[in-house]
Amino acid sequence: EVQLVESGGGLVKPGGSLRLSCVVSGFKLSGHTMNWVRQAPGKGLEWVSSISTSSNYIHYADTVKGRFTISRDNARDLLFLQMDSLRPEDTAVYYCARAKGSLEWVFHPIDYWGQGTLATVSS
Amino acid sequence: DIQMTQSPSSLSASVGDSVTITCQASQDINNYLNWYQQKTGKAPKLLIYRASTLETGVPTRFSGSGYGADFTFTITNLQPEDFATYYCQQYDISPLTFGGGTKVEI
Repeated sequence: EVQLVESGGGLVKPGGSLRLSCVVSGFKLSGHTMNWVRQAPGKGLEWVSSISTSSNYIHYADTVKGRFTISRDNARDLLFLQMDSLRPEDTAVYYCARAKGSLEWVFHPIDYWGQGTLATVSS
Repeated sequence: DIQMTQSPSSLSASVGDSVTITCQASQDINNYLNWYQQKTGKAPKLLIYRASTLETGVPTRFSGSGYGADFTFTITNLQPEDFATYYCQQYDISPLTFGGGTKVEI
């Protein structure tokens, strides 16, 4: 069974940092592009970042570029999101999400999602 | 960035009805368009990808169509478990972008 489990959320002050982790099971992380998608309370979905299988292609939303860093450890089936210089508008549930395909230079539909971890940025 | 305009933002329907949601991209995205269902407090679920391909295990009452910039999503014979929020998403060009969502209510 495919599972994605996020951790690392919590309450942080503006300007602070959080490191989100996502451990996957039921499939090999190395075979899939991975994404982070967030959802502010009561709002819609916002794609945050994606990383290809070998980390050769990395993309970010303009709203987080220069502040967030996505990375992966295929050997340990782990995906990360380092979030620095956090702002109140970054408050959201962050979902780890698997892409359906593995070709590095294109995007793929997201077919599996974790249950999310809540990051709250507030003083 | 590609803007995805989804309408309506909400609709009311009854069990057994058919409902249609539209999604318009601000530029041509070929058929790189997904539809997701999200229930309150849950993660989204992929229903349709490549505009019209049904994800494995998704009931055939869900369907999608379109190409270029204009897309539609239809649920026929609406079931109680279908009351949820639906999102379109383009995955042609970064940044990947979602529509604003359509809440389907009883």
